[in-house]
Amino acid sequence: GAGVSQSPSNKVTEKGKDVELRCDPISGHTALYWYRQRLGQGLEFLIYFQGNSAPDKSGLPSDRFSAERTGESVSTLTIQRTQQEDSAVYLCASSGDRVDEKLFFGSGTQLSVL
Amino acid sequence: AQKVTQAQTEISVVEKEDVTLDCVYETRDTTYYLFWYKQPPSGELVFLIRRNSFDEQNEISGRYSWNFQKSTSSFNFTITASQVVDSAVYFCALSEIHSDSSYKLIFGSGTRLLVRP
Repeated sequence: GAGVSQSPSNKVTEKGKDVELRCDPISGHTALYWYRQRLGQGLEFLIYFQGNSAPDKSGLPSDRFSAERTGESVSTLTIQRTQQEDSAVYLCASSGDRVDEKLFFGSGTQLSVL
Repeated sequence: AQKVTQAQTEISVVEKEDVTLDCVYETRDTTYYLFWYKQPPSGELVFLIRRNSFDEQNEISGRYSWNFQKSTSSFNFTITASQVVDSAVYFCALSEIHSDSSYKLIFGSGTRLLVRP
């Protein structure tokens, strides 16, 4: 597609439920990032995929968070047993495989945990 | 470990004023890249500029200019003659290459700029 696509754009869930957030990167982009942005806060790094290398999971806040990516395509971020503090905008970004590549961001998924 | 600090949480200026957004970074590497991104009220982040650690030339693009100083580990962003449309959150970011050739982009906490008419 023309840009990074994220779905759903909004997700409301009850505490304790599992959620899946999807990201479709720009075709051909080997790098894919997930960030979390709480209301009025900065971007918190969660996880980074680069081609077929092992992902950098150093930013995942707990074992309730996991992410998968199939090859260089779609990625899914899963949050199990959601808590109210998980409420935030989850942003996905993709880029080429060079360290100086700029990121292209999706519009994000607004997650609200009631 | 890499770290980016944007000490100014929020800045408010009147239209046509000049404003400088500060960014200080920490890295142990000699090769790294610095970025600025803009997040307008619509929410989608937009790339503004990239600078590598070997290029300390300042850059000007229209009303925007960037001052990179390795000696103070700073990469400050100045908007000249600010406009209401400049109102947004601005993020500074750092990407460094690790020993295993991996890298990741880390963002500062952002500075919210409000330009009043």
